[in-house]
Amino acid sequence: GAVVSQHPSWVICKSGTSVKIECRSLDFQATTMFWYRQFPKQSLMLMATSNEGSKATYEQGVEKDKFLINHASLTLSTLTVTSAHPEDSSFYICSASQDRVGQPQHFGDGTRLSIL
Amino acid sequence: GENVEQHPSTLSVQEGDSAVIKCTYSDSASNYFPWYKQELGKRPQLIIDIRSNVGEKKDQRIAVTLNKTAKHFSLHITETQPEDSAVYFCAARIFGNEKLTFGTGTRLTIIP
Repeated sequence: GAVVSQHPSWVICKSGTSVKIECRSLDFQATTMFWYRQFPKQSLMLMATSNEGSKATYEQGVEKDKFLINHASLTLSTLTVTSAHPEDSSFYICSASQDRVGQPQHFGDGTRLSIL
Repeated sequence: GENVEQHPSTLSVQEGDSAVIKCTYSDSASNYFPWYKQELGKRPQLIIDIRSNVGEKKDQRIAVTLNKTAKHFSLHITETQPEDSAVYFCAARIFGNEKLTFGTGTRLTIIP
């Protein structure tokens, strides 16, 4: 149980394009999901906490208008990188935990985004 | 907020020997400490976790110890195998907060 699916796994697109990444909890409900960014050989940096039915909570330094998060249902959160530029190239990973106190986070497979 | 430090950043161990990775945390309100294993280009996978009401937890070749007084916790892997080679991340979560704060990672290489 506790499977998190992320799509797409790899995106290559031109500068200026907007890219949408989906994160789904397949076998459980997730009121809260998390979006991370990971640069090569570095740790996971939390970008934002996505809450179903309300606005996301962004970490300091993360541009809200650049990284749009929508959590429309208890099983789906999306991250849209708007007007992407080469510096946005990175590995983006979502995670979710079951809606019970103290549950571990389970991660999606990640999306490798390359902006040309 | 929470700050998690992890050492060493790289670790090479002969196959069959033990590996130990250490983490320290700053916020005494943290009460949950998971360890994740990440292979190249793949998702972090939870391998073991420990809560603050327990001092040690073991799962086959993997164990985690927690010292709340000193605010540090460690991952122990015994009888290491080549498939243990990966990057390992520790993390901490403050009670009442769902966010995880990750350590900087340890690249473990098992030498056959």
